[in-house]
Amino acid sequence: GQSLEQPSEVTAVEGAIVQINCTYQTSGFYGLSWYQQHDGGAPTFLSYNALDGLEETGRFSSFLSRSDSYGYLLLQELQMKDSASYFCAVRDPSTGRRALTFGSGTRLQVQP
Amino acid sequence: DVKVTQSSRYLVKRTGEKVFLECVQDMDHENMFWYRQDPGLGLRLIYFSYDVKMKEKGDIPEGYSVSREKKERFSLILESASTNQTSMYLCASRDAGGSAFFGQGTRLTVV
Repeated sequence: GQSLEQPSEVTAVEGAIVQINCTYQTSGFYGLSWYQQHDGGAPTFLSYNALDGLEETGRFSSFLSRSDSYGYLLLQELQMKDSASYFCAVRDPSTGRRALTFGSGTRLQVQP
Repeated sequence: DVKVTQSSRYLVKRTGEKVFLECVQDMDHENMFWYRQDPGLGLRLIYFSYDVKMKEKGDIPEGYSVSREKKERFSLILESASTNQTSMYLCASRDAGGSAFFGQGTRLTVV
């Protein structure tokens, strides 16, 4: 089976940098993705890492280390609108890699 | 932009009722999914479908069924609603290689 571990809550101040970690256990690995969900909204795709290293998309970056079964999402120049829940996810081999298995999410609170 | 539309944002149903949640996507995606989301538990896969009339159980299929008669539409059915099925239900679609796109969710309350 698959399991993903991420912190339940993180608090940071506006303008700061925050890192949200994710460790995973999976019987077959096909990449780590990240989703953002605002309260009352739908999850939206942020980034995807198939290979080791850092992927940058504007203020957001995502890192993967396959040897450590570990990744993180880095948010820079935090803004109030970044307050949301963030989920890491892997493709589930038991579904033919069609479905995603999600972590339980990290709630980020950005304070002024 | 991909659009995934769920028929209702909020529903209140009585215990024992048969409940239909509808989901439509407009990007010709092969794969469609139903998840439920509960506080502290993240998103859990109920059922998924990779083609018309094809369906597979996810992690928590008990008490649910699905229907995919057309490629763009994936329905979740609660055969006999129970209070422990009170939850947020999220539909998603994905093409063969891409990221998942979610609908806005249906918050179902079973009383």
